[in-house]
Amino acid sequence: DAKTTQPPSMDCAEGRAANLPCNHSTISGNEYVYWYRQIHSQGPQYIIHGLKNNETNEMASLIITEDRKSSTLILPHATLRDTAVYYCIVRRNNAGNMLTFGGGTRLMVKP
Amino acid sequence: GAGVSQTPSNKVTEKGKYVELRCDPISGHTALYWYRQSLGQGPEFLIYFQGTGAADDSGLPNDRFFAVRPEGSVSTLKIQRTERGDSAVYLCASSLGAGAETQYFGPGTRLLVL
Repeated sequence: DAKTTQPPSMDCAEGRAANLPCNHSTISGNEYVYWYRQIHSQGPQYIIHGLKNNETNEMASLIITEDRKSSTLILPHATLRDTAVYYCIVRRNNAGNMLTFGGGTRLMVKP
Repeated sequence: GAGVSQTPSNKVTEKGKYVELRCDPISGHTALYWYRQSLGQGPEFLIYFQGTGAADDSGLPNDRFFAVRPEGSVSTLKIQRTERGDSAVYLCASSLGAGAETQYFGPGTRLLVL
């Protein structure tokens, strides 16, 4: 699976949009972009995933560039409860394909 | 519905002891994964089950680690002769199976080896 690069940390003001970038320049055509987050002392929580089209759900939006070499996770109105480590993961969607976590981005939402 | 559950939530043991960690996946999920997370690191893959069989155990660090899933549902991760370096959070995840591969994680078991 392709590797990903994320900034180690980011701050965001409460109520503002949080835009978390991820670079995955070696992504292959059959690899998806997944985002998980991990709130302190909890297991990772699935947020969203996509292949090439932008995706939106009740938690976030995922914007994938046309060349698929990078993506941005958008939390439209960040709250204090969104403070967590956010992991961007690239993987094929086959049975048994494990998730390879990098260092992630530690997002701190501040009042 | 119920998510992935793991027991115990915390386990303290002494070096050299044997421990078992349990995972109850989401009902109907055929795929089950174990990961290990050391302090300050992202989770690392240990083993994957499809049904009752271990389809990929390439992440197990050594032969002290073993996992079973005898009926294709609950899984147990077993660690023999524990070492202090085994201290970590052990995470379990499950997914629906072939074709729908989003993995859903449990809260983890925090293992401390003294």
